[in-house]
Amino acid sequence: EDQVTQSPEALRLQEGESSSLNCSYTVSGLRGLFWYRQDPGKGPEFLFTLYSAGEEKEKERLKATLTKKESFLHITAPKPEDSATYLCAVRGYSSASKIIFGSGTRLSIRP
Amino acid sequence: NAGVTQTPKFQVLKTGQSMTLQCAQDMNHEYMSWYRQDPGMGLRLIHYSVGAGITDQGEVPNGYNVSRSTTEDFPLRLLSAAPSQTSVYFCASSPERGSYNEQFFGPGTRLTVL
Repeated sequence: EDQVTQSPEALRLQEGESSSLNCSYTVSGLRGLFWYRQDPGKGPEFLFTLYSAGEEKEKERLKATLTKKESFLHITAPKPEDSATYLCAVRGYSSASKIIFGSGTRLSIRP
Repeated sequence: NAGVTQTPKFQVLKTGQSMTLQCAQDMNHEYMSWYRQDPGMGLRLIHYSVGAGITDQGEVPNGYNVSRSTTEDFPLRLLSAAPSQTSVYFCASSPERGSYNEQFFGPGTRLTVL
């Protein structure tokens, strides 16, 4: 069964303090790993898709990386507007069209 | 484009009542799905559809029905509401059948069952 575990559950950083969020996954054949951002009271917003180990993608202060067992979302010099819940999800070959989400990391950036 | 729209935004039901949550998209996406989001549990897949006339169960399908008669619409029906179905419900769509491209999410419906 496909599984996704995110850590930490919550993370509080000072503005400018870089850090990383972790997404560990178990899937029989990875078709894609996804990162989303969710603001309070809103639906998730797509950030990245990663397909194979070693792949990296960047967007502004965010960089996502992928290994065979986990993905990291690196946040460099964050700003208060980066505060949100970050969700990781996977789709595996054995699960057909199902996309499984982790429980998310709540990120808070203090000015 | 309006993207993915959901109605209603808020709903309160009594135990045993039935209702339909509406979801529509105007992007001609083949793949549509319904999730529920509960505190500390992330998004859990209820049902999904890879095209008109085709639906399948996700992780937590019990108590919910879906149908997909058109590409645009994917309603979620609660047959007999229970307090355990109190949650925030999100509908999402994606551009290709079996695609691992991004999903576009609606704004959500907050449902309370008393």
